[in-house]
Amino acid sequence: GAGVSQTPSNKVTEKGKYVELRCDPISGHTALYWYRQSLGQGPEFLIYFQGTGAADDSGLPNDRFFAVRPEGSVSTLKIQRTERGDSAVYLCASSLELGKSYNEQFFGPGTRLTVL
Amino acid sequence: AQTVTQSQPEMSVQEAETVTLSCTYDTSESDYYLFWYKQPPSRQMILVIRQEAYKQQNATENRFSVNFQKAAKSFSLKISDSQLGDAAMYFCAYGDSWGKLQFGAGTQVVVTP
Repeated sequence: GAGVSQTPSNKVTEKGKYVELRCDPISGHTALYWYRQSLGQGPEFLIYFQGTGAADDSGLPNDRFFAVRPEGSVSTLKIQRTERGDSAVYLCASSLELGKSYNEQFFGPGTRLTVL
Repeated sequence: AQTVTQSQPEMSVQEAETVTLSCTYDTSESDYYLFWYKQPPSRQMILVIRQEAYKQQNATENRFSVNFQKAAKSFSLKISDSQLGDAAMYFCAYGDSWGKLQFGAGTQVVVTP
């Protein structure tokens, strides 16, 4: 079946603009995770959802970042007033359910965000 | 807070040889999981191997095996019979009981013919 998909694959924007990054998880996966990977580093946790609710958003760096998952499937990561430091690859992953770390997280190919 | 440390930025190995990647972590939890992920240039993170902390037996997946030393908080990955397709960035990750992953900085594996 289809894996996790993310759109767009690349996004270039100007400082101060608003961007939306989309994640389509594997069908039937109730848990969804967002990570941010800066150049030369490992991914850092941002937020995860179980169904429609954000179970843990402790990784969001500040209030310019927000994520939603209104119908428990597709999720959108929203970044307001982008800054050059937001430039990174944003990775999305999904798994069967939250609270079970042995459930494999399947990752999408990521969105590379570049803020000029 | 948990931390994951990978002290080898890059490791080089010849085809058919064996390479070992090191990883240490710090946690006060008793219920957790450890993972090794592979990230090729395509950016797609692929799970290589997984270890449950409560299991003493080291996990093995074909040519990949781990050496899990719980008391020392060490979790190394051994790649045997290395192949050109193994060339990638490898990340060690700590997973808490909710599934949140904490990654190390990564080790670049270079495979030479």
